[in-house]
Amino acid sequence: DVKVTQSSRYLVKRTGEKVFLECVQDMDHENMFWYRQDPGLGLRLIYFSYDVKMKEKGDIPEGYSVSREKKERFSLILESASTNQTSMYLCASSPQSSNYGYTFGSGTRLTVV
Amino acid sequence: LAKTTQPISMDSYEGQEVNITCSHNNIATNDYITWYQQFPSQGPRFIIQGYKTKVTNEVASLFIPADRKSSTLSLPRVSLSDTAVYYCLVGDRNSGNTPLVFGKGTRLSVIA
Repeated sequence: DVKVTQSSRYLVKRTGEKVFLECVQDMDHENMFWYRQDPGLGLRLIYFSYDVKMKEKGDIPEGYSVSREKKERFSLILESASTNQTSMYLCASSPQSSNYGYTFGSGTRLTVV
Repeated sequence: LAKTTQPISMDSYEGQEVNITCSHNNIATNDYITWYQQFPSQGPRFIIQGYKTKVTNEVASLFIPADRKSSTLSLPRVSLSDTAVYYCLVGDRNSGNTPLVFGKGTRLSVIA
C-alpha cells in the first residue's frame, strides 16, 4: 500500500526549541506539501516543493522553513518553536502530472509548551 | 483556483442519504470538481472527482449540473463511520504547480 509517513504522531516541545518534522513518501511523487490544521481554520498551506532542493512558500510560511534533499523526503523545520505553532501538521504528496491525486500522511500533533 | 462555498456543518441519522452542496460560481472551463474526506485524527483522502453530469464510485456520487456552478456530493445510507469533514475543491487537475486550497469543509455528524 502506498504511503506518506510522518515520523511522529505526537510531539511535545518547549518554546524556543528547533523542531524537525519529517515526511517520507514511497510513491516517487514529485510534489510534496506541508499543511497545518487548526480548529475553525481548515488546512492552511505552509510550504511546498515540486522537485528536489526546490521550495515555494505557501500561505503561512512565517516561522517555518523546509528542506528537500531527496525526492522522497520533505522536512518541515520550526526554527524557534512558539506556542502559536501548536497545531496538527499534515504532509502530502502528489504526482506532478495530476494536481488532485494528493495522498496525506496521518499527521503530527505538535504541542509547544 | 475557483472559490468554493459549502455548509459549515450538517447532521444526519444513520441510514439516511446525505447531500452536501458546494457552490463554485467562478469555475473555469478546465476545472474539475474534487471532494476529499477527512476522518478525525487523519489526513484527508480523495473520494471522488468529476467534470460534468454524474460520477459514481463505491463511496459516493457526485452530481454536477450543466452550468457547473455548483455540485452535490451524495452519500447513500450513511453510517456512524461516515462522520468526517468533507472538502470541495475546484481547479485544473493537470495544473501540477498549483497547490490545493482546502478551506474549512463541511463537518458531517452522523447520529445513531
